Amino acid sequence: EDKVVQSPLSLVVHEGDTVTLNCSYEVTNFRSLLWYKQEKKAPTFLFMLTSSGIEKKSGRLSSILDKKELFSILNITATQTGDSAVYLCAVHGSGNTGKLIFGQGTTLQVKP
Amino acid sequence: DAGVIQSPRHEVTEMGQEVTLRCKPISGHDYLFWYRQTMMRGLELLIYFNNNVPIDDSGMPEDRFSAKMPNASFSTLKIQPSEPRDSAVYFCASRGTGITGELFFGEGSRLTVL
Repeated sequence: EDKVVQSPLSLVVHEGDTVTLNCSYEVTNFRSLLWYKQEKKAPTFLFMLTSSGIEKKSGRLSSILDKKELFSILNITATQTGDSAVYLCAVHGSGNTGKLIFGQGTTLQVKP
Repeated sequence: DAGVIQSPRHEVTEMGQEVTLRCKPISGHDYLFWYRQTMMRGLELLIYFNNNVPIDDSGMPEDRFSAKMPNASFSTLKIQPSEPRDSAVYFCASRGTGITGELFFGEGSRLTVL
């Protein structure tokens, strides 16, 4: 059965700290891995990763994929209170059916 | 584009009542997904459609749940009869052609069954 596991489940840091969120997966015929940020409403897209070792970067956020070890990390540097959210990792697998499977999410709280 | 549109945004109903949630995907997107989110179980895929055809409904909890997509611009998720354990946020999402494409989510329908 396809599976996506995120860790930690929750994290509390102070503004200015750097955090690393982890996502490991077991899926059939991996296609891509996506990171989403969810505040009070719908998840919003952050990154999509398809190749190992290529870092995706957007401002203070960055992410990288390791297809050999089957995991990805999401880094946030110089955290701000606005980074407080649930971060979701999702993987396209199960052949070419296009199904996206989500992990349980990491809840990040950034304190002033 | 207005994005994925869901209705209602909030629904409070009593156990045993029928609930219908509605979704309008982004125009031109040929994949539509229904997810359910709870604190305990996170985001669970219930069913998804490709070109209006249900592809995988293995996530539908039981026969009380049904979903339809009569045309490319409309889908419904129906729960009959509803139970308190169905209380959750139900998200509809769509994406375009291509296996690795980004998923666009609606704002969600928060369902409370008393």
